[in-house]
Amino acid sequence: DADVTQTPRNRITKTGKRIMLECSQTKGHDRMYWYRQDPGLGLRLIYYSFDVKDINKGEISDGYSVSRQAQAKFSLSLESAIPNQTALYFCATSDPGFEQFFGPGTRLTVL
Amino acid sequence: EDKVVQSPLSLVVHEGDTVTLNCSYEVTNFRSLLWYKQEKKAPTFLFMLTSSGIEKKSGRLSSILDKKELFSILNITATQTGDSAVYLCAVVSGGSNYKLTFGKGTLLTVNP
Repeated sequence: DADVTQTPRNRITKTGKRIMLECSQTKGHDRMYWYRQDPGLGLRLIYYSFDVKDINKGEISDGYSVSRQAQAKFSLSLESAIPNQTALYFCATSDPGFEQFFGPGTRLTVL
Repeated sequence: EDKVVQSPLSLVVHEGDTVTLNCSYEVTNFRSLLWYKQEKKAPTFLFMLTSSGIEKKSGRLSSILDKKELFSILNITATQTGDSAVYLCAVVSGGSNYKLTFGKGTLLTVNP
């Protein structure tokens, strides 16, 4: 079984809709992250959480919110999706050793 | 603002060639530098470098960090078509609330 899972894997939605992307991990890590990846732009950090009570904004948090429901679960919401949020979204976890373990990604298309 | 710059952005070589990928950085409170390989899926970890001048090696891949000049290189010798991927460099910076800043990546294409 995969250590970091993301649901859904693909999603097509319309402008203005609320969308939630979910991430679960079985690695027992406290630290979890959400990134988006756009062609030619690398990975950009949206939000990160170092434990259940700790949520931090990344470099591109506008238009997104997160919820850390448990150590193993970290959800990303788009309150009102817009076309420029079309991207590949990755969840990742890490222990204090810095190496990040990535989920398989969610491809989101906003029409 | 922390910055990580990778070069070249893309590279096309033939099988058997040797390639060098570059990553330079400007960050506050450097902790570590990581290299990832990304094929058509999630990034997979290659190396973590914390100390200058110590080469990390895994098969045909090797990497070294220069903390004085603020850069790292990733070398791939005797390239194979399976090495075709995006190679991402990320720098860890900060204190207990550290963060990773990724470069834009280098797209390597190895032709047979």
